[in-house]
Amino acid sequence: GEDVEQSLFLSVREGDSSVINCTYTDSSSTYLYWYKQEPGAGLQLLTYIFSNMDMKQDQRLTVLLNKKDKHLSLRIADTQTGDSAIYFCAESLLSARQLTFGSGTQLTVLP
Amino acid sequence: NAGVMQNPRHLVRRRGQEARLRCSPMKGHSHVYWYRQLPEEGLKFMVYLQKENIIDESGMPKERFSAEFPKEGPSILRIQQVVRGDSAAYFCASSPGTGGRVGQPQHFGDGTRLSIL
Repeated sequence: GEDVEQSLFLSVREGDSSVINCTYTDSSSTYLYWYKQEPGAGLQLLTYIFSNMDMKQDQRLTVLLNKKDKHLSLRIADTQTGDSAIYFCAESLLSARQLTFGSGTQLTVLP
Repeated sequence: NAGVMQNPRHLVRRRGQEARLRCSPMKGHSHVYWYRQLPEEGLKFMVYLQKENIIDESGMPKERFSAEFPKEGPSILRIQQVVRGDSAAYFCASSPGTGGRVGQPQHFGDGTRLSIL
């Protein structure tokens, strides 16, 4: 079955790098996504990666995919207070269009 | 270029009433998805629709919940005879339908927060 897991909390100091981790179980995942949710708001698509890629970089964001271990990570360089939010990992499968989400990681950036 | 529009942002209903949640997809998007987020949880898929068709409703409760996406107008998620457990944030997402390519990113609205008294 489908299962996406994330650690619940992460705290970092402003200016440091943040690394948010995610594991998934379904090997037929096609795309993996990172979304950001600020309080009271919807989900903002940050980046996504196709399952045949190992890495994708977009400005301060770096996504790493280890398909063998079914492990996905999001690295945020030079983390700012505005990066404080909940970050969701999600997968989509070849057989279905809907996304399966993890429970989210609450990132707190300390001054 | 407007994003996914959901209304109302907040909806309060008493037990037994009906709740109607509306979603207008992004311009050019023909696929709509509804998700539910319970407090301090991730989003759970409910239903996937294209214009005038329900494609996958495997995440919808069997009773009281229904969804439609008519030829004209927004997609509607309807909850009849609401109960306290229906209190949640309901999010709509849309994606393009061109070519039917799997994996096209879904763009989310700001959600409707439903509270049941």
